[in-house]
Amino acid sequence: DVKVTQSSRYLVKRTGEKVFLECVQDMDHENMFWYRQDPGLGLRLIYFSYDVKMKEKGDIPEGYSVSREKKERFSLILESASTNQTSMYLCASSATPGQSIAKNIQYFGAGTRLSVL
Amino acid sequence: ILNVEQSPQSLHVQEGDSTNFTCSFPSSNFYALHWYRWETAKSPEALFVMTLNGDEKKKGRISATLNTKEGYSYLYIKGSQPEDSATYLCAFLWQQGAQKLVFGQGTRLTINP
Repeated sequence: DVKVTQSSRYLVKRTGEKVFLECVQDMDHENMFWYRQDPGLGLRLIYFSYDVKMKEKGDIPEGYSVSREKKERFSLILESASTNQTSMYLCASSATPGQSIAKNIQYFGAGTRLSVL
Repeated sequence: ILNVEQSPQSLHVQEGDSTNFTCSFPSSNFYALHWYRWETAKSPEALFVMTLNGDEKKKGRISATLNTKEGYSYLYIKGSQPEDSATYLCAFLWQQGAQKLVFGQGTRLTINP
């Protein structure tokens, strides 16, 4: 089974702190994603990466950065946490589809609920 | 800006009843439509990947249909059970190879025993 592991389920940080959210996948997937989920808004893409050291901005990248030094690990960084970054953060991974559309499926971690006070 | 809309946002259904909800998406540049189920305290999991107009997929009591020409998909649950309580997300894949999904806001389904 594909496993996507996020380092923390719950995290409480103070405004201005630097925050690292870690995500590791064990299926050798090329693509990795960071989303945030807020009530009534669904999942919004922050950043994604389609290869080591490659990254692209999603829909809401402001206030975030990412790092992908190894294929299996994708980190989300909040340089200076703010209260409006209180949210549920989800990491996901997927394979590059090639011939099979089913490889578009994204596999998710359990989420990190971040509270910034 | 691509917009994926799900309705209703929340739904309460009596155990044993059948239900359905809708996902609307842009009808142009369609590549695939995904459905995910997200149970509380768990990870979202894929239910279906749909690619062709007229596609129908089924998994147990859950089925989905796809109309790419008019830009909608329906998810049906027959004989709802308490374990069906979850948020159901649809996601639109609009650019081949880009791998980026655009998610709807979800339908939160609660099954009342």
